Amino acid sequence: EIVLTQSPDFQSVTPKEKVTITCRASQSIGSSLHWYQQKPDQSPKLLIKYASQSFSGVPSRFSGSGSGTDFTLTINSLEAEDAATYYCHQSSTLPLTFGGGTKVEIK
Amino acid sequence: QVQLVESGGGVVQPGRSLRLSCAASGFTFSSSALHWVRQAPGKGLEWVAVISYDGFNKYYADSVRGRFTLSRDNSKNALYLQMNSLRTEDTAVYYCATGGGNYYNAFHIWGQGTMVTVSS
Repeated sequence: EIVLTQSPDFQSVTPKEKVTITCRASQSIGSSLHWYQQKPDQSPKLLIKYASQSFSGVPSRFSGSGSGTDFTLTINSLEAEDAATYYCHQSSTLPLTFGGGTKVEIK
Repeated sequence: QVQLVESGGGVVQPGRSLRLSCAASGFTFSSSALHWVRQAPGKGLEWVAVISYDGFNKYYADSVRGRFTLSRDNSKNALYLQMNSLRTEDTAVYYCATGGGNYYNAFHIWGQGTMVTVSS
């Protein structure tokens, strides 16, 4: 099973600040890494697919990068509505797995 | 409107069974692989299982293999998860999700989830 390790677990950020979340895979997964946003009491929403492809309708301040084992989700100029937990997800190999999540709080 | 709607959750005693359903609309269900993902209270996401578009191939997480069974009815645009021998650690919100025909796509459609509580 491929283990995804996200860091940090928690981040408190002021509006307009830049946020960087990392996801490290226990073995190479190419670009088969996706990012989701989950707000309280809501289902997850796809932000970035295949490491760097923005999903339709996602604001341009969200971007992704990386390949192999190291990946990054960047939120440029954080907005209040971005308060949420962010998860990475690998679809290289079954069983599919998720990272433990990064909670982003607005100061 | 593209959507997945789960139902069938509830409170059940350990060792008992429960069947979840997921109703699809607004996209080509019969061409889509369907997944279940669960989330224990206050915890992260855990992939549970996937079924191929035609129902012939199914894969399960180790934590549920042998206890949970996936099925689908493409004539009804419906997905099912039969959960047997439930354990307290199965307590979670269960989401159905899809990324289209390939198991390995990102999940761009999620349901709202249905809560399963396993407790005596």
